[in-house]
Amino acid sequence: DGGITQSPKYLFRKEGQNVTLSCEQNLNHDAMYWYRQDPGQGLRLIYYSQIVNDFQKGDIAEGYSVSREKKESFPLTVTSAQKNPTAFYLCASSIDLADWVEQYFGPGTRLTVT
Amino acid sequence: GEDVEQSLFLSVREGDSSVINCTYTDSSSTYLYWYKQEPGAGLQLLTYIFSNMDMKQDQRLTVLLNKKDKHLSLRIADTQTGDSAIYFCAESFLQGGKLIFGQGTELSVKP
Repeated sequence: DGGITQSPKYLFRKEGQNVTLSCEQNLNHDAMYWYRQDPGQGLRLIYYSQIVNDFQKGDIAEGYSVSREKKESFPLTVTSAQKNPTAFYLCASSIDLADWVEQYFGPGTRLTVT
Repeated sequence: GEDVEQSLFLSVREGDSSVINCTYTDSSSTYLYWYKQEPGAGLQLLTYIFSNMDMKQDQRLTVLLNKKDKHLSLRIADTQTGDSAIYFCAESFLQGGKLIFGQGTELSVKP
């Protein structure tokens, strides 16, 4: 079955530690995205990537970093510089970056930093 | 700027129709979408409408777009308990890549 996997489902970290969230897709999609979801707020775009070895900042990139070394994988690192990292993180992918395409979402990772 | 607004909660009885509303500010959007999120899960695309259309119907779902008022709605006919979820409207733009999401409307369906 094709889809997007995110692991782990729940992640707990101490303040001051970097943490990397995994996102893998086997849909052969070129474009991948990271969103952050907070209660009562819509999804906000952190980073997106159109193609391997290329990525762009979204609306709230500060305190986050990404890499795109393989088409299938787009890991997100939440650094200690991110002031409020506790949130639900969603990864998505689409065939390309066109405006009409459907974005397919993974099941999400809930990160709690204490 | 880009802003999408939704009311946060809606409660209906099973079998009734649900209408979820969304307003947006940027009229340059090309497509508008409705996504569904079940508890603890990712988002699933329900339907979308091209910005030149007024209405789109897909089984129990009807999308209405009033471009003049920048208002989008999703009507779910014969709402079932399985429809309980958070519904997000979103818009995309010609340059692609970016979806702007509303805050989500939590639909609660009571038996």
